[in-house]
Amino acid sequence: SQTIHQWPATLVQPVGSPLSLECTVEGTSNPNLYWYRQAAGRGLQLLFYSVGIGQISSEVPQNLSASRPQDRQFILSSKKLLLSDSGFYLCACPSAGGYTFGSGTRLTVV
Amino acid sequence: AQKVTQAQTEISVVEKEDVTLDCVYETRDTTYYLFWYKQPPSGELVFLIRRNSFDEQNEISGRYSWNFQKSTSSFNFTITASQVVDSAVYFCALSARGSQGNLIFGKGTKLSVKP
Repeated sequence: SQTIHQWPATLVQPVGSPLSLECTVEGTSNPNLYWYRQAAGRGLQLLFYSVGIGQISSEVPQNLSASRPQDRQFILSSKKLLLSDSGFYLCACPSAGGYTFGSGTRLTVV
Repeated sequence: AQKVTQAQTEISVVEKEDVTLDCVYETRDTTYYLFWYKQPPSGELVFLIRRNSFDEQNEISGRYSWNFQKSTSSFNFTITASQVVDSAVYFCALSARGSQGNLIFGKGTKLSVKP
């Protein structure tokens, strides 16, 4: 079964600073990978998905970007964070029966 | 368009009560999947169930049961004899060809079970 590793678990960053969140997957090869964001008190919003190395689809125009440099690595980035980028970021991939999610990164932009 | 609506934002019950969480979905696809996830206070998403659009049988797993009704586009979740550990945010989600197979989530229902 798949395991998703995300780090860091929590992050506090000032407005205007860069961001890099990493997600790595074990137990599968060439998976579809997803970045979701959960803003405070809201549901999960799909930000990006990737069907393979170098292939990124963006669902929502925003201050963020994603990259997939390796088969099992998915990175979420920003050059300059905004206050509105605060939230809980989750990486996911399909698995038998459902989707497997990482433990998430709680980002607070101050 | 694909859409999932969870009209109940928050529900509060007393332990041992039964509680039903509602989920209504929209899709034009004839083949789709419906999911329920639990998000405890720690934040991780815990998979509960997946149901495909051709299987309308209700499912029971311990104190959990799901009622899938295509006629009303609903996939409701019932917890019988609720416990404090059931306190969490519960998300209903849809995956269909129209969403490129991506999960579309409802906004979630926060369930609080009080002792």
